[in-house]
Amino acid sequence: EVHLVESGGGLVQPGGSLRLSCAASGLTFSNYWMDWVRQAPGKGLEWVANIKQDGSGQNYVDSVKGRFTISRDNAKNSLYLQMNGLRGEDTAVYYCARDLFGSGSYCGQGIQVTVSS
Amino acid sequence: QAGLTQPPSVSKGLRQTATLTCTGNSNNVGNEGHAGAAWLQQNRGHPPKLLSYRNNNRPSGISERFSPSRSGNTASLTITGLQPEDEADYYCSAWDSSLGAWVFGGGTKLTVL
Repeated sequence: EVHLVESGGGLVQPGGSLRLSCAASGLTFSNYWMDWVRQAPGKGLEWVANIKQDGSGQNYVDSVKGRFTISRDNAKNSLYLQMNGLRGEDTAVYYCARDLFGSGSYCGQGIQVTVSS
Repeated sequence: QAGLTQPPSVSKGLRQTATLTCTGNSNNVGNEGHAGAAWLQQNRGHPPKLLSYRNNNRPSGISERFSPSRSGNTASLTITGLQPEDEADYYCSAWDSSLGAWVFGGGTKLTVL
């Protein structure tokens, strides 16, 4: 059974940093693109970033380019999202997902990130 | 970031058919050379679940009552035999080749009366 468990969220001041982690089990992690997607309170879904199977390619939504970095460690079956320069509009539940838009799609339960002073 | 257009809400009766629409442009929904449109379902307080991908493919385990399609720059999701458990938010998404990013629609809240 596939499990994706996010950690590292919490409350941070504007301008601060957080590093989200996603621990994967029950899947051959290195076979899949991985995504981060978020949902602000009362709002719709927003795709944030994805990363290729071997980590050689990443894509980002414009609003996080230059501030967020997606990475992975296939030896540890883990996905990461380093978030710097956080803003109020980054407040959201962040979901880690395997191949979000493909046949192997699976989402974790999500983790709350709150940016506030 | 430009998004896709979905009606905010749709209401239909039990066992009826609902068709949800998603309008984009030639860089995303209508782009023949890329991943096409996808549909996701989300119940309140839960993570999203993929219902279809590449315009008209269903992942294993997804009911045949969910029928995705695409015509030009518009993707559609037809849900037949509506059940109470179908009441949820539905999002479409597509890869936008001009933005180099996945874009979402604003979501459609489906109410089953």
